[in-house]
Amino acid sequence: DQQVKQNSPSLSVQEGRISILNCDYTNSMFDYFLWYKKYPAEGPTFLISISSIKDKNEDGRFTVFLNKSAKHLSLHIVPSQPGDSAVYFCAASGNTGTASKLTFGTGTRLQVTL
Amino acid sequence: GAGVSQSPSNKVTEKGKDVELRCDPISGHTALYWYRQSLGQGLEFLIYFQGNSAPDKSGLPSDRFSAERTGGSVSTLTIQRTQQEDSAVYLCASSLVGGRWGYTFGSGTRLTVV
Repeated sequence: DQQVKQNSPSLSVQEGRISILNCDYTNSMFDYFLWYKKYPAEGPTFLISISSIKDKNEDGRFTVFLNKSAKHLSLHIVPSQPGDSAVYFCAASGNTGTASKLTFGTGTRLQVTL
Repeated sequence: GAGVSQSPSNKVTEKGKDVELRCDPISGHTALYWYRQSLGQGLEFLIYFQGNSAPDKSGLPSDRFSAERTGGSVSTLTIQRTQQEDSAVYLCASSLVGGRWGYTFGSGTRLTVV
């Protein structure tokens, strides 16, 4: 039962353009969402997060949008840079019995080309 | 320490042997998590520690897997009688209290069972 889904396993974007990574979730108890970035042979690193009381959070080139009614969030990277090439994981947590655990999606591999 | 430290970084073992993977969390972090990432898969939750106790071990795939944490610090994940399907990157993460707001990952241990 995949509660957090990233339906695009890969995405290729030209340098300077916008990258849009999508994530869907099924558990209505989730109320906090995060994006992690992972380079090969390294652990995932935190990128940006959003609480369900907001619909947008921005940090420099990175913006996360949350659509609660659609149970959908997206990460926008503008402008995309070659160093952004990595695997991006969407994660969620909720105020449930096992609240202290993040549930991750399967990841989207972003390649930013020159 | 400054970050989450995992050892070994790489481990090749023969099918049927036991392996131990070690995680040294960030000093003072009470919550510790183990995840694994199999080839082409997302981050699969294994077990969560709060202090020395494990309130959520729901992700351990079989009774060949066990984990302990001592002194509220170092954790060891043990896999007995390894199988080829155990081959994966095993990631450890820690957070200051509960991990609902995100956690810091180590670089992982790449386990290959031959």
